[in-house]
Order: sequence, then structure tokens, then C-alpha cells
Amino acid sequence: NAGVTQTPKFQVLKTGQSMTLQCAQDMNHEYMSWYRQDPGMGLRLIHYSVGAGITDQGEVPNGYNVSRSTTEDFPLRLLSAAPSQTSVYFCASSYRGQGNYYGYTFGSGTRLTVV
Amino acid sequence: GQQVMQIPQYQHVQEGEDFTTYCNSSTTLSNIQWYKQRPGGHPVFLIQLVKSGEVKKQKRLTFQFGEAKKNSSLHITATQTTDVGTYFCAGRNAGNMLTFGGGTRLMVKP
Repeated sequence: NAGVTQTPKFQVLKTGQSMTLQCAQDMNHEYMSWYRQDPGMGLRLIHYSVGAGITDQGEVPNGYNVSRSTTEDFPLRLLSAAPSQTSVYFCASSYRGQGNYYGYTFGSGTRLTVV
Repeated sequence: GQQVMQIPQYQHVQEGEDFTTYCNSSTTLSNIQWYKQRPGGHPVFLIQLVKSGEVKKQKRLTFQFGEAKKNSSLHITATQTTDVGTYFCAGRNAGNMLTFGGGTRLMVKP
């Protein structure tokens, strides 16, 4: 099993450009989420999904869109990149058992720089 | 919204010394998770605590969940250079969101 796969690993964008960060998991996890990690600020939740066709906003959703058409894929779209979106982006997935979601499996991250 | 605070932000220790990081939530949690992130890497799940007052051990690591389910701690006995990294707690309330603390960066001098 590959686990959680994120592409690309690195990306440089110009202000105003749009792009999609890809995330795929092969563990049949129903829960998927996107976090951004900035120095000294831990991980902040952008969007999450509890199953195909269902998405919801996290703490910092502005400037980002998501969709969940399949269980496996959860792409994150930056609509019009801004320098404030320079960050490391992590996708994570999990599954539910005995009333609780288990620990998250994280992808290796996408390092995004907006100039 | 829910806030999860973690202290200290940084900790330098001599190899062989003990290390503790503390996590406090502004709201009562349904469970708490701990993760480790090596420099340049991604967070890796360590453990989940669910019950009030729960204590779990993984070799030299001891995890505790407070009686009120609002705080937690991670204690490492006799640190080794392989323990270097940032340790995050993450709390879940009744909803589907997992909120991460700011992390404690552990540095170990050999």
C-alpha cells in the first residue's frame, strides 16, 4: 500500500495563479483532510471530508476549494494564489471505528511558495 | 472555537535526560492524539487516548489524559538522539475536527 500520496512535492506560483494540489489514498479511509503548516503555528485545518460527496470547512478555508467525488481522492484548489498562502500543505486520512476516528495517516507534504 | 495550547515551544536536553510536553484544551475533549514530526518530515501518529485519566506507555514514552479530559502530557524517559523532532498533541471535541497544538520541538545534545 502506498498510503497517502501528495503531488507535487514542491511548487512555485506567481501571485494570482491557480493550481490544484493532489491527494490520493489507497486505504479506503472515509475521512480526509487538508492542513497547512506554517513556522511556529502548528497545523491548521483548511477543509475536511467525512466521505465521498461530503466536504466541510476547517479553521482557515478562505482562498481554498475542495471536492470529494471518490473515496480515494481529495484535491485542494487554490483559486488565486497569494503570498500568504506560502506554506507546507499536508493531506491526511483516517477511518472510523468504535465511535472514534483513529490516528491520521499523513502524506509527505507539498511545499508551496507564492511569489 | 476550540484552542489547543502546548508548552514548552522548545526544549533542549542532554542525551539521557527526561523530557515532558504539556497540552491544554479550552474545551473538554472526546479524545486526544499525539504525533511526532522529524525535521523535514510529516507528522506520524503515535497514540490516541480516549478515557478520563488514561495512561499509556510505549517503551520510554508515557502518555497521560487528564481526569477532566482537557489536558494531556507526553513524557520521554532517558532521551536519545533518535527522539529529536517536534511533538504535537491534537484534540477532538464532539465534532469531526482535529485541532493541533503548536508543537514542542525537542533537541537532544549527544
